[in-house]
Amino acid sequence: DQQVKQNSPSLSVQEGRISILNCDYTNSMFDYFLWYKKYPAEGPTFLISISSIKDKNEDGRFTVFLNKSAKHLSLHIVPSQPGDSAVYFCAASASYGKLTFGQGTILTVHP
Amino acid sequence: DTGVSQDPRHKITKRGQNVTFRCDPISEHNRLYWYRQTLGQGPEFLTYFQNEAQLEKSRLLSDRFSAERPKGSFSTLEIQRTEQGDSAMYLCASSLLGLAKLFFGSGTQLSVL
Repeated sequence: DQQVKQNSPSLSVQEGRISILNCDYTNSMFDYFLWYKKYPAEGPTFLISISSIKDKNEDGRFTVFLNKSAKHLSLHIVPSQPGDSAVYFCAASASYGKLTFGQGTILTVHP
Repeated sequence: DTGVSQDPRHKITKRGQNVTFRCDPISEHNRLYWYRQTLGQGPEFLTYFQNEAQLEKSRLLSDRFSAERPKGSFSTLEIQRTEQGDSAMYLCASSLLGLAKLFFGSGTQLSVL
């Protein structure tokens, strides 16, 4: 059972434009959500997170939005840069336990 | 801060052989996790430790897999009688108790021929 889903396998955007990556979840017990970025042959690195008591968290060019009623979160990157090209994973946790990951979205930012 | 360290980075083995991977977490972190990732998929949870106690194991973890964290510091993951389906990236992560943010190592890429 895929409790965390990223339905877009890939996304291509132009440098300077906005990148929007989406994630849906099914488990109502999830109360903390994270985004990780992964380059080939490396482990995932933490990007940004949000608690279920908030609906928005911002860190520089990265903003995460949470819509609890829709069980949906999104990551906005503005402006997108070529160095942002990587695989992005959405992850969720219930009561600070293990993380459950989505399948990932490959982001390509073209110069 | 030396980060999470995994050894080896790559392992090629023949089907039926046993392999062992090592993970050294961030020193003050009391939780240690093992994940497996295959191409096109996100990391899948295998097991985790709080200090030396193994608190949860995924049903993905067959009895050919065993993990230990003997003194609550480094951990080992052993796969016995490897199969081609075991080929994957094995990721280790650590965290502080009460925090959901995991810090990952660079992983061990296993290829079973």
